[in-house]
Amino acid sequence: GDSVTQMEGPVTLSEEAFLTINCTYTATGYPSLFWYVQYPGEGLQLLLKATKADDKGSNKGFEATYRKETTSFHLEKGSVQVSDSAVYFCALSEYNQGGKLIFGQGTELSVKP
Amino acid sequence: EAGVAQSPRYKIIEKRQSVAFWCNPISGHATLYWYQQILGQGPKLLIQFQNNGVVDDSQLPKDRFSAERLKGVDSTLKIQPAKLEDSAVYLCASSVSGPTYTEAFFGQGTRLTVV
Repeated sequence: GDSVTQMEGPVTLSEEAFLTINCTYTATGYPSLFWYVQYPGEGLQLLLKATKADDKGSNKGFEATYRKETTSFHLEKGSVQVSDSAVYFCALSEYNQGGKLIFGQGTELSVKP
Repeated sequence: EAGVAQSPRYKIIEKRQSVAFWCNPISGHATLYWYQQILGQGPKLLIQFQNNGVVDDSQLPKDRFSAERLKGVDSTLKIQPAKLEDSAVYLCASSVSGPTYTEAFFGQGTRLTVV
Protein backbone atom coordinates (compact mmCIF):
# COMPACT_ATOMS: atom_id res chain seq x y z
CA GLY A 1 0.00 0.00 0.00
CA ASP A 2 0.89 3.67 -0.07
CA SER A 3 3.40 4.96 2.45
CA VAL A 4 5.47 8.00 3.41
CA THR A 5 8.94 7.94 4.96
CA GLN A 6 10.54 10.94 6.62
CA MET A 7 13.99 11.51 8.02
CA GLU A 8 14.14 10.82 11.70
CA GLY A 9 14.37 13.57 14.23
CA PRO A 10 14.83 15.43 16.32
CA VAL A 11 16.60 17.98 14.18
CA THR A 12 18.31 20.77 16.11
CA LEU A 13 19.47 23.90 14.28
CA SER A 14 20.69 27.34 15.16
CA GLU A 15 18.63 30.34 14.11
CA GLU A 16 19.23 31.36 10.46
CA ALA A 17 20.53 27.91 9.52
CA PHE A 18 19.37 26.12 6.36
CA LEU A 19 16.76 23.41 6.85
CA THR A 20 16.12 20.25 4.86
CA ILE A 21 13.71 17.54 5.98
CA ASN A 22 13.70 14.58 3.63
CA CYS A 23 10.48 12.87 2.58
CA THR A 24 10.01 9.98 0.15
CA TYR A 25 6.82 8.22 -0.76
CA THR A 26 5.42 5.05 -2.30
CA ALA A 27 2.13 5.33 -4.15
CA THR A 28 0.14 3.22 -6.57
CA GLY A 29 -1.39 6.21 -8.36
CA TYR A 30 -0.63 9.89 -8.79
CA PRO A 31 -0.92 11.42 -5.36
CA SER A 32 -0.98 14.98 -4.15
CA LEU A 33 1.75 15.71 -1.61
CA PHE A 34 1.65 17.83 1.51
CA TRP A 35 3.60 19.13 4.44
CA TYR A 36 1.68 19.64 7.66
CA VAL A 37 3.07 21.36 10.75
CA GLN A 38 2.13 20.92 14.40
CA TYR A 39 3.24 23.72 16.70
CA PRO A 40 3.39 22.97 20.43
CA GLY A 41 -0.10 22.77 21.91
CA GLU A 42 -1.83 23.28 18.56
CA GLY A 43 -3.52 21.13 15.94
CA LEU A 44 -2.07 20.06 12.63
CA GLN A 45 -1.99 22.81 10.01
CA LEU A 46 -1.40 22.57 6.29
CA LEU A 47 1.93 24.22 5.48
CA LEU A 48 2.15 23.65 1.73
CA LYS A 49 1.07 21.28 -1.01
CA ALA A 50 1.84 20.18 -4.57
CA THR A 51 -0.61 18.32 -6.76
CA LYS A 52 1.48 17.15 -9.72
CA ALA A 53 5.03 16.37 -10.74
CA ASP A 54 7.47 19.32 -10.74
CA ASP A 55 5.02 21.54 -8.84
CA LYS A 56 6.64 23.60 -6.10
CA GLY A 57 4.65 24.34 -2.98
CA SER A 58 5.67 27.28 -0.84
CA ASN A 59 4.50 29.09 2.26
CA LYS A 60 6.10 31.12 5.09
CA GLY A 61 9.54 30.73 3.48
CA PHE A 62 9.25 26.95 3.26
CA GLU A 63 9.41 25.19 -0.11
CA ALA A 64 9.06 21.65 -1.41
CA THR A 65 9.16 20.33 -4.99
CA TYR A 66 7.23 17.27 -6.15
CA ARG A 67 9.85 15.00 -7.72
CA LYS A 68 8.18 12.05 -9.39
CA GLU A 69 11.41 10.54 -10.69
CA THR A 70 12.82 10.23 -7.17
CA THR A 71 9.43 9.94 -5.41
CA SER A 72 10.46 12.71 -3.07
CA PHE A 73 9.04 15.90 -1.56
CA HIS A 74 11.79 17.36 0.60
CA LEU A 75 11.01 20.39 2.76
CA GLU A 76 13.49 23.28 2.73
CA LYS A 77 13.85 26.70 4.28
CA GLY A 78 16.77 29.02 3.76
CA SER A 79 16.86 30.59 7.21
CA VAL A 80 14.96 29.07 10.13
CA GLN A 81 13.65 31.01 13.11
CA VAL A 82 12.98 29.95 16.68
CA SER A 83 9.26 30.20 15.87
CA ASP A 84 9.66 27.39 13.31
CA SER A 85 10.20 24.89 16.13
CA ALA A 86 7.48 22.30 15.61
CA VAL A 87 6.82 18.79 14.33
CA TYR A 88 6.61 18.51 10.54
CA PHE A 89 4.64 15.77 8.79
CA CYS A 90 4.88 14.79 5.15
CA ALA A 91 1.69 13.29 3.73
CA LEU A 92 0.07 12.11 0.53
CA SER A 93 -3.46 11.75 -0.76
CA GLU A 94 -4.38 9.60 -3.72
CA TYR A 95 -6.81 10.87 -6.31
CA ASN A 96 -10.35 9.66 -5.71
CA GLN A 97 -9.62 8.53 -2.15
CA GLY A 98 -11.95 11.16 -0.75
CA GLY A 99 -9.20 13.22 0.76
CA LYS A 100 -7.74 10.50 2.99
CA LEU A 101 -4.22 11.45 4.11
CA ILE A 102 -1.35 9.03 4.65
CA PHE A 103 1.28 10.55 6.93
CA GLY A 104 4.93 10.00 7.59
CA GLN A 105 6.08 9.58 11.16
CA GLY A 106 6.91 13.25 11.67
CA THR A 107 10.17 15.11 12.21
CA GLU A 108 10.64 17.29 15.25
CA LEU A 109 12.53 20.51 14.59
CA SER A 110 14.08 22.55 17.39
CA VAL A 111 15.62 25.92 16.54
CA LYS A 112 17.93 27.48 19.10
CA PRO A 113 18.62 31.23 19.32
CA GLU B 1 -14.47 31.11 11.29
CA ALA B 2 -14.61 28.60 14.13
CA GLY B 3 -12.28 25.63 13.83
CA VAL B 4 -12.79 21.97 14.54
CA ALA B 5 -13.74 21.50 18.18
CA GLN B 6 -12.88 18.38 20.14
CA SER B 7 -13.51 17.33 23.71
CA PRO B 8 -12.23 16.36 26.11
CA ARG B 9 -8.62 17.49 25.62
CA TYR B 10 -7.25 14.86 27.96
CA LYS B 11 -8.57 11.59 29.35
CA ILE B 12 -7.03 8.97 31.60
CA ILE B 13 -8.83 5.65 32.02
CA GLU B 14 -8.04 2.16 33.21
CA LYS B 15 -7.80 -0.70 30.75
CA ARG B 16 -11.11 -2.39 30.02
CA GLN B 17 -13.02 0.82 30.70
CA SER B 18 -14.92 2.65 27.99
CA VAL B 19 -14.37 6.17 26.70
CA ALA B 20 -15.97 8.52 24.18
CA PHE B 21 -14.63 11.47 22.26
CA TRP B 22 -16.65 14.21 20.65
CA CYS B 23 -15.98 16.29 17.55
CA ASN B 24 -17.76 19.28 16.06
CA PRO B 25 -16.48 20.01 12.54
CA ILE B 26 -16.32 23.31 10.73
CA SER B 27 -19.78 24.41 9.63
CA GLY B 28 -20.60 23.23 6.14
CA HIS B 29 -17.87 20.62 5.96
CA ALA B 30 -19.42 17.40 4.71
CA THR B 31 -16.39 15.18 5.26
CA LEU B 32 -15.21 14.24 8.72
CA TYR B 33 -12.19 12.13 9.66
CA TRP B 34 -10.95 10.49 12.84
CA TYR B 35 -7.22 9.82 13.01
CA GLN B 36 -5.21 8.02 15.68
CA GLN B 37 -1.73 9.36 16.43
CA ILE B 38 0.42 7.11 18.57
CA LEU B 39 3.44 8.79 20.19
CA GLY B 40 6.31 9.02 17.71
CA GLN B 41 4.15 8.11 14.72
CA GLY B 42 2.16 10.00 12.15
CA PRO B 43 -1.63 10.12 12.28
CA LYS B 44 -3.43 7.07 10.91
CA LEU B 45 -6.95 7.25 9.54
CA LEU B 46 -9.50 5.31 11.59
CA ILE B 47 -12.73 6.31 9.87
CA GLN B 48 -14.01 8.79 7.29
CA PHE B 49 -17.57 10.05 7.00
CA GLN B 50 -19.23 11.79 4.09
CA ASN B 51 -22.23 13.54 5.65
CA ASN B 52 -23.51 10.77 7.94
CA GLY B 53 -22.37 7.85 5.80
CA VAL B 54 -19.14 5.91 6.29
CA VAL B 55 -16.70 6.19 3.36
CA ASP B 56 -13.75 4.28 4.80
CA ASP B 57 -13.47 2.37 8.07
CA SER B 58 -10.98 -0.24 6.92
CA GLN B 59 -8.48 0.65 9.67
CA LEU B 60 -11.02 0.85 12.51
CA PRO B 61 -10.70 -2.01 15.04
CA LYS B 62 -14.38 -2.76 14.96
CA ASP B 63 -14.31 -5.19 17.86
CA ARG B 64 -13.70 -2.30 20.24
CA PHE B 65 -14.00 0.99 18.34
CA SER B 66 -17.20 2.53 17.04
CA ALA B 67 -18.05 5.89 15.57
CA GLU B 68 -21.13 7.70 14.47
CA ARG B 69 -22.01 10.98 12.88
CA LEU B 70 -25.57 11.94 13.57
CA LYS B 71 -27.33 14.31 11.20
CA GLY B 72 -24.08 14.74 9.26
CA VAL B 73 -22.62 17.18 11.77
CA ASP B 74 -21.12 16.18 15.15
CA SER B 75 -19.37 12.88 15.59
CA THR B 76 -18.45 10.63 18.48
CA LEU B 77 -15.75 7.99 18.62
CA LYS B 78 -16.04 5.31 21.30
CA ILE B 79 -13.63 2.70 22.60
CA GLN B 80 -15.00 -0.21 24.61
CA PRO B 81 -13.14 -1.87 26.21
CA ALA B 82 -9.91 0.11 26.09
CA LYS B 83 -6.50 -1.53 25.88
CA LEU B 84 -3.11 -0.15 26.85
CA GLU B 85 -2.16 0.16 23.17
CA ASP B 86 -5.05 2.56 22.60
CA SER B 87 -3.05 5.28 24.37
CA ALA B 88 -2.73 7.95 21.67
CA VAL B 89 -3.96 11.32 20.51
CA TYR B 90 -7.26 11.10 18.65
CA LEU B 91 -7.56 13.77 16.00
CA CYS B 92 -10.72 14.89 14.29
CA ALA B 93 -10.54 16.72 10.98
CA SER B 94 -13.08 18.05 8.50
CA SER B 95 -13.11 19.22 4.91
CA VAL B 96 -15.51 20.21 2.17
CA SER B 97 -16.63 17.21 0.16
CA GLY B 98 -15.19 15.97 -3.10
CA PRO B 99 -13.58 12.94 -4.70
CA THR B 100 -10.12 14.39 -4.38
CA TYR B 101 -8.22 16.13 -1.64
CA THR B 102 -9.55 19.36 -0.26
CA GLU B 103 -7.76 20.91 2.68
CA ALA B 104 -8.48 19.11 5.92
CA PHE B 105 -8.67 21.23 9.06
CA PHE B 106 -7.67 19.50 12.27
CA GLY B 107 -8.83 19.90 15.83
CA GLN B 108 -6.37 19.99 18.73
CA GLY B 109 -7.02 16.37 19.53
CA THR B 110 -7.88 14.32 22.59
CA ARG B 111 -4.95 12.74 24.39
CA LEU B 112 -5.98 9.36 25.80
CA THR B 113 -3.89 7.54 28.38
CA VAL B 114 -4.89 3.99 29.25
CA VAL B 115 -3.33 2.70 32.48
